[in-house]
Amino acid sequence: DVKVTQSSRYLVKRTGEKVFLECVQDMDHENMFWYRQDPGLGLRLIYFSYDVKMKEKGDIPEGYSVSREKKERFSLILESASTNQTSMYLCASSLPAQGQNTEAFFGQGTRLTVV
Amino acid sequence: AQKITQTQPGMFVQEKEAVTLDCTYDTSDPSYGLFWYKQPSSGEMIFLIYQGSYDQQNATEGRYSLNFQKARKSANLVISASQLGDSAMYFCAMRGSLTFGNEKLTFGTGTRLTIIP
Repeated sequence: DVKVTQSSRYLVKRTGEKVFLECVQDMDHENMFWYRQDPGLGLRLIYFSYDVKMKEKGDIPEGYSVSREKKERFSLILESASTNQTSMYLCASSLPAQGQNTEAFFGQGTRLTVV
Repeated sequence: AQKITQTQPGMFVQEKEAVTLDCTYDTSDPSYGLFWYKQPSSGEMIFLIYQGSYDQQNATEGRYSLNFQKARKSANLVISASQLGDSAMYFCAMRGSLTFGNEKLTFGTGTRLTIIP
């Protein structure tokens, strides 16, 4: 059974803290993605990676960074957490498309609250 | 740049009726893929259906079909004979290519579908 696992389901952090959200996939997928989901705004892409050590900015990268040292692990880092980063964070992975249907598989999400 | 637009924030539909969820997209990629996902209240993201930009036929998966109109850049999801379990958020998404193997997956804002008994 394919699996994307996010390290925490719920997280509460203080303003100014450095926060790490971890995502691991066991499907040997090249592509990995980090989104945040907010009511009325849908899923917005923060960063994505198409290979180890490769990363691309998504639509809202400000205040975030990522790390992909191993193929199966993609970490999202909030350098100095702020209250406007309170949100649901979703990680996903997929194979490269190459013209085919390559659906993305999602983790269960991490609900982060910054106080 | 690629963009997905879903103009229906919410819809109410009577059980057993068919429902169409709208999705329009914008991209400069000659090759792209379009997806629909369902997110029930439990929060998981469930893949429903896929349409490739070069596919000649509209995709179908059981009660789901995708009405793909390439010239109009629309990819509407049609659910036939709706059921109470179809109540959920529905997201349209597009995968485009920046370079070979470097693919961005962008989602719309979603439509909350409520099926009325």
